[in-house]
Amino acid sequence: SYVLTQPPSVSVAPGKTATITCAGNNIGSKSVHWYQQKPGQAPVLVISYDSDRPSGIPERFSGSNSGNTATLTISRVEAGDEADYYCQVWIINPDHRGVFGGGTKLTVL
Amino acid sequence: EVQLVESGGGLVQPGGSLRLSCAASGFIFRSYAMNWVRQAPGKGLEWVSFISSTASAIYYADSVKGRFTISRDDARDSLYLQMNSLRAEDTAVYYCARDGAEVATPYFDNWGQGTLVTVSS
Repeated sequence: SYVLTQPPSVSVAPGKTATITCAGNNIGSKSVHWYQQKPGQAPVLVISYDSDRPSGIPERFSGSNSGNTATLTISRVEAGDEADYYCQVWIINPDHRGVFGGGTKLTVL
Repeated sequence: EVQLVESGGGLVQPGGSLRLSCAASGFIFRSYAMNWVRQAPGKGLEWVSFISSTASAIYYADSVKGRFTISRDDARDSLYLQMNSLRAEDTAVYYCARDGAEVATPYFDNWGQGTLVTVSS
């Protein structure tokens, strides 16, 4: 089965840059999507198709994907960015299924 | 504004059944594929099931295959998840999520607030 591996936690000071990775076998050949989930709330899409920002998502959020690692980058981190972040891909072989990474807790110091 | 409102969660005994519903509004429901995604208490997200816009394609996670059935009623702008033979490990918040992809592989561009399913005796 296809596995996506994220670091359990990332800490960053306000105003600095946070980098959250998502590792998977040849993930660069797949489309990666990222979701933000704050406590007690539903997930929110923050990046689609590796690097596209949905409307309403600040430009501080960006993404990239190459080789075996996809990356979510949050620039000029704010206290309100503290949340869990999940990467996601869709697998079609041998069966169609959605796959999420285990999630990364972003802590703003 | 896209709205997805889940209902039907609750406490059920192991081996029991439950039917979840998701009422959609703010978009042309029949044009979109839909998904169910769940989250066990304190755990990460787990994709559960997918149904295409025409219901011609349906997929399930291995963990629920043979026990859960996804369906849709476009006349009622509603998505359903029939859950049978429930187990303790099915305890989770269940989210209804719209597929944002038009032709590419699915992702989840809008989510409901979720409904809690607790399987316990």
